[in-house]
Amino acid sequence: NAGVTQTPKFQVLKTGQSMTLQCAQDMNHNSMYWYRQDPGMGLRLIYYSASEGTTDKGEVPNGYNVSRLNKREFSLRLESAAPSQTSVYFCASSEGRATIFYGYTFGSGTRLTVV
Amino acid sequence: QQQVKQSPQSLIVQKGGISIINCAYENTAFDYFPWYQQFPGKGPALLIAIRPDVSEKKEGRFTISFNKSAKQFSLHIMDSQPGDSATYFCAAAGGYGNKLVFGAGTILRVKS
Repeated sequence: NAGVTQTPKFQVLKTGQSMTLQCAQDMNHNSMYWYRQDPGMGLRLIYYSASEGTTDKGEVPNGYNVSRLNKREFSLRLESAAPSQTSVYFCASSEGRATIFYGYTFGSGTRLTVV
Repeated sequence: QQQVKQSPQSLIVQKGGISIINCAYENTAFDYFPWYQQFPGKGPALLIAIRPDVSEKKEGRFTISFNKSAKQFSLHIMDSQPGDSATYFCAAAGGYGNKLVFGAGTILRVKS
């Protein structure tokens, strides 16, 4: 049982390049999330998908787009990478039901450097 | 504006001692308060969580204390071990999407 799988694990981009971070979960969770982690700032929500077919902006959505491809997969796209997007990106999933919430399961992260 | 404020930023504790990390929140709509543990190169993992209808929850050496009126909660690690050395995040959630808002994190080092 893999849980949440993120690819790639590492990536170096040049300013202006685009890329898509992939995330897949095999726990039949309804909700999926993308966070970025920066030193001293904790984890900040970029976008989330409360259920299949819906996506919403989080705290820091600028410069990103997402696609909830199906119930399992939630991708994050950087259209034109900037050095400020250098970060570690985490995907997470959860049950997402209103009355039962058991927290998130996180992937192992993608370390992205934009030069 | 950080909705969940966490302190201290870093903490050094002797083996066998008690580690205490504190968090405060503003949004009274929050109704779920977890703590996550993160080792280098790994994603955060759920450690323990509490809902506001109880004031304390204990799981092994880990205890959450919750003060609803003060809007504060804390993590206590009893008999701290070198294997507990990690980054700890408090968080809070409530409302549509069950979005977790995280504190800035505390780097814990347990000295043997």
